[in-house]
Amino acid sequence: AQSVTQPDIHITVSEGASLELRCNYSYGATPYLFWYVQSPGQGLQLLLKYFSGDTLVQGIKGFEAEFKRSQSSFNLRKPSVHWSDAAEYFCAVGAAGGSYIPTFGRGTSLIVHP
Amino acid sequence: KAGVTQTPRYLIKTRGQQVTLSCSPISGHRSVSWYQQTPGQGLQFLFEYFSETQRNKGNFPGRFSGRQFSNSRSEMNVSTLELGDSALYLCASSLMGQITDTQYFGPGTRLTVL
Repeated sequence: AQSVTQPDIHITVSEGASLELRCNYSYGATPYLFWYVQSPGQGLQLLLKYFSGDTLVQGIKGFEAEFKRSQSSFNLRKPSVHWSDAAEYFCAVGAAGGSYIPTFGRGTSLIVHP
Repeated sequence: KAGVTQTPRYLIKTRGQQVTLSCSPISGHRSVSWYQQTPGQGLQFLFEYFSETQRNKGNFPGRFSGRQFSNSRSEMNVSTLELGDSALYLCASSLMGQITDTQYFGPGTRLTVL
């Protein structure tokens, strides 16, 4: 069965600092990987996704993520955080070749200090 | 183009009652998925509908059911409510429900069971 671990429940950064959110997955084959953001009172918004090819994926809002098969990781990064990035971030994994039934991590809450 | 809409946004019910939640997908999207989000269990997949048929189902009891209409609008129903059903229920739509499609989430319905 597929699973996702986000080791950090909360992360606090200062505005302008760099950010890395960790995600480790467990899946038998090549996974489809996703990062979503959820602002308070909102649904989820897709930041980026990885299916195959280049292991460094660019997303919206200046985010990027790198797929590392050897480490079963798909960490999300941003070089300079803005106060509006404060939100909950979810990593998800899905099975290739079929319908979209994702397994989500428990989320990482990002707090941004001015 | 209008996003995914969910009604109502907030709902308070008592144990034993039933509830119906509604989701209107983005125009042209034929797949609608439902998720339950709780602090204890995180984000969990409930079911997915495509062309008025339930195509995939998560691991939830039979009290949770849904349907999809010919215009792709979807409803989910929870019967005999329990305290543990208190959650944010998210709906998401996509073109065909394939993993390569982007899912667009609604803002959710916050259900409180007293």
